[in-house]
Amino acid sequence: DQQVKQNSPSLSVQEGRISILNCDYTNSMFDYFLWYKKYPAEGPTFLISISSIKDKNEDGRFTVFLNKSAKHLSLHIVPSPPGDSAVYFCAASYSGSARQLTFGSGTQLTVLP
Amino acid sequence: DAMVIQNPRYQVTQFGKPVTLSCSQTLNHNVMYWYQQKSSQAPKLLFHYYDKDFNNEADTPDNFQSRRPNTSFCFLDIRSPGLGDAAMYLCATSRVTGAGTDTQYFGPGTRLTVL
Repeated sequence: DQQVKQNSPSLSVQEGRISILNCDYTNSMFDYFLWYKKYPAEGPTFLISISSIKDKNEDGRFTVFLNKSAKHLSLHIVPSPPGDSAVYFCAASYSGSARQLTFGSGTQLTVLP
Repeated sequence: DAMVIQNPRYQVTQFGKPVTLSCSQTLNHNVMYWYQQKSSQAPKLLFHYYDKDFNNEADTPDNFQSRRPNTSFCFLDIRSPGLGDAAMYLCATSRVTGAGTDTQYFGPGTRLTVL
């Protein structure tokens, strides 16, 4: 039972254009959402997060949008240099003592020069 | 720089031969996690330590054990590795305060190969 789903295993965008990565979740108890970026042979690196009390959070080139009614979030990256090519994971958690993360299966973003 | 360190980065073991993976952190975080990630799949939480309290996920096989001798170190022991245990093992840390839990920070991972 996949509680966090990233339905696009891969996405290609042209350098300098906007990248939009999508994530859906099924567990209505989730109240905190994160995006991580992962290069090959490295651990995931935290990018940005959003609490369920907000519908948008922005940090530099990264913006995350949350639509609670649709149980959907998206990560917008603008602009996208080739160095952004990586696997992007969506993760979710709910209030508790240690905030265990439930990850999606990831989307491979390829930024084309 | 404060960080999460995993050793070794690559580990090869034989079927059934016990193996231990190591994680250390300089962040002074009170929670340490172990995840298993197989190719093209989501990282899957195996267990975590909240200070000295061990929290096992319900579907983590008994073959996987963990030890946390102090705040800085956490070990993953695989008692009898099978071919299906070949994966990337990720260690992460976070800080839990009265206000909630901070973001999890990950180490670079250990790639385990089982022959």
